[in-house]
Amino acid sequence: DSGVTQTPKHLITATGQRVTLRCSPRSGDLSVYWYQQSLDQGLQFLIQYYNGEERAKGNILERFSAQQFPDLHSELNLSSLELGDSALYFCASSGGQTNSPLHFGNGTRLTVT
Amino acid sequence: GNSVTQMEGPVTLSEEAFLTINCTYTATGYPSLFWYVQYPGEGLQLLLKATKADDKGSNKGFEATYRKETTSFHLEKGSVQVSDSAVYFCALQYSGAGSYQLTFGKGTKLSVIP
Repeated sequence: DSGVTQTPKHLITATGQRVTLRCSPRSGDLSVYWYQQSLDQGLQFLIQYYNGEERAKGNILERFSAQQFPDLHSELNLSSLELGDSALYFCASSGGQTNSPLHFGNGTRLTVT
Repeated sequence: GNSVTQMEGPVTLSEEAFLTINCTYTATGYPSLFWYVQYPGEGLQLLLKATKADDKGSNKGFEATYRKETTSFHLEKGSVQVSDSAVYFCALQYSGAGSYQLTFGKGTKLSVIP
């Protein structure tokens, strides 16, 4: 058990809809990272938050947004969903120091129909 | 930019065979290198890491050595077990502006048959 909790485990929704994915980091970790895993693109970094503030942005679409709350949990919001957004979305957390490994949750599987 | 290239899978081995999964990287500066493993239906788990040149990471019989001269971090195990069947990801971490995000290879699926 990594200590990172993601909900829900599965999400099925229709094109054009909006969903919210939730992540609770390991106790004490200040950094939260979001990744998208798809068969064709592999693991793509989306965005990172550190102690409530955005720290780095990767290949995140404008239709996607995220935030980290004062209790350090994070939410990833996906809107105007398209079929191609179907993927596994992982959250990871770390202490935020050099060489700190990332600890991953079990992911949310999003299916857009 | 930073990138990781690992050998294409899938790899199928018999139990007790020797395993090598090749990984090479491109990065500016001196990244840290990691191997993660993903079992079916689960998230990624850290398998081992190395933070500087010539470091050897090891865990559960797996080893990888950080080779700066060849920009490689190949994963090896002397005798694989059925329980090692999983997808293995090589990754690098380069700290830029305080972000320690990981850049991953595409993953190599390993199947070990009895």
